[in-house]
Amino acid sequence: AQTVTQSQPEMSVQEAETVTLSCTYDTSESDYYLFWYKQPPSRQMILVIRQEAYKQQNATENRFSVNFQKAAKSFSLKISDSQLGDAAMYFCAYSASPNTGTASKLTFGTGTRLQVTL
Amino acid sequence: DSGVTQTPKHLITATGQRVTLRCSPRSGDLSVYWYQQSLDQGLQFLIHYYNGEERAKGNILERFSAQQFPDLHSELNLSSLELGDSALYFCASSASRSSYEQYFGPGTRLTVT
Repeated sequence: AQTVTQSQPEMSVQEAETVTLSCTYDTSESDYYLFWYKQPPSRQMILVIRQEAYKQQNATENRFSVNFQKAAKSFSLKISDSQLGDAAMYFCAYSASPNTGTASKLTFGTGTRLQVTL
Repeated sequence: DSGVTQTPKHLITATGQRVTLRCSPRSGDLSVYWYQQSLDQGLQFLIHYYNGEERAKGNILERFSAQQFPDLHSELNLSSLELGDSALYFCASSASRSSYEQYFGPGTRLTVT
């Protein structure tokens, strides 16, 4: 079974600084997808960034980027120029390759709560 | 706004009761997934429907059941409720054609007293 581990329950970063959230996963599959979701106090789950395992290039979405190390099964999220609105719970998630034309279930880590201070 | 809607937003009920949570996927999405978020279990996958058919089951209790209707909306039925069923229940949807992204609704917060 696939597992996702987030070893940092809480992190803190100053506004405008950079922070990196860690995630490791375990799978025997060669093709899969990794995601970071943000859950602000509103509790809405917001997709931040996604990475296909077959792509060597790290995904980037504006101030958010990932460091994907397939051999090490590591998938960290870097937030640059942190803003107050980035304060939230961040979940790392894994999904196996789509099954007959539709996405497979998501397996989540336990989350990292990010505080952004002035 | 993800385009996925869930009703109701909040639900308070007593132990032993039965409730129904409703989800409407994004326009055109054929897949619906249900997840439970609780303090002790974290975010867990419950069940997946694709175009009206059950595709995968996770840690869903026998007291829970779901279905997806011809108009693609889905309902999650929870019966014989226990205090431990109190949680945030999310629905997510995904397009077909090998799409691998899931978009979440705002969730239904269930409180069992």
